[in-house]
Amino acid sequence: IAGITQAPTSQILAAGRRMTLRCTQDMRHNAMYWYRQDLGLGLRLIHYSNTAGTTGKGEVPDGYSVSRANTDDFPLTLASAVPSQTSVYFCASSESVAGGPDEQFFGPGTRLTVL
Amino acid sequence: GQNIDQPTEMTATEGAIVQINCTYQTSGFNGLFWYQQHAGEAPTFLSYNVLDGLEEKGRFSSFLSRSKGYSYLLLKELQMKDSASYLCAVKDSNYQLIWGAGTKLIIKP
Repeated sequence: IAGITQAPTSQILAAGRRMTLRCTQDMRHNAMYWYRQDLGLGLRLIHYSNTAGTTGKGEVPDGYSVSRANTDDFPLTLASAVPSQTSVYFCASSESVAGGPDEQFFGPGTRLTVL
Repeated sequence: GQNIDQPTEMTATEGAIVQINCTYQTSGFNGLFWYQQHAGEAPTFLSYNVLDGLEEKGRFSSFLSRSKGYSYLLLKELQMKDSASYLCAVKDSNYQLIWGAGTKLIIKP
């Protein structure tokens, strides 16, 4: 693995179903993030984790949950999917959460369609 | 509220120069980032500014004026591969990135 991987690449899901999007990084970054990207809108932060064992809510957390059991993995779960959760989901990581040129590295994204 | 504004779309000619503007209003400021995103791909980091002035990196330069809440990304000697969306993002007082909607740049031969 090099960088960040996400799975699945794409998924079509029936409304009401539960779904977990997977994210794994091999850069030993402390901070990880989940964003959704919708046409005409900027990336919106769903949840984040500053370090393993801690998580926080972003701008649009409702309907989503995350866990950070270890440094490498940061899964995002939709407990009961709704059509408004149709989006492209990006996982990202950075060395830390602080000031400075600490760029975020992005995974390839998961395209999710909820019908 | 927090707000990042960028033009939705711009068109330029191969070999020319284009300037993409970004204005922001955020709670706190801990730096401004520019990312490039090709269609169907993930964003990739281009530049970072935290002090006023111009940062040059090859064909790309980024400028920041903190007093005006303004930045621009300057792309020189445009190539067809520069056709992409360019995302402006500001790191706020909580060290989280606030993102603009992006500027789609179309390069014509």
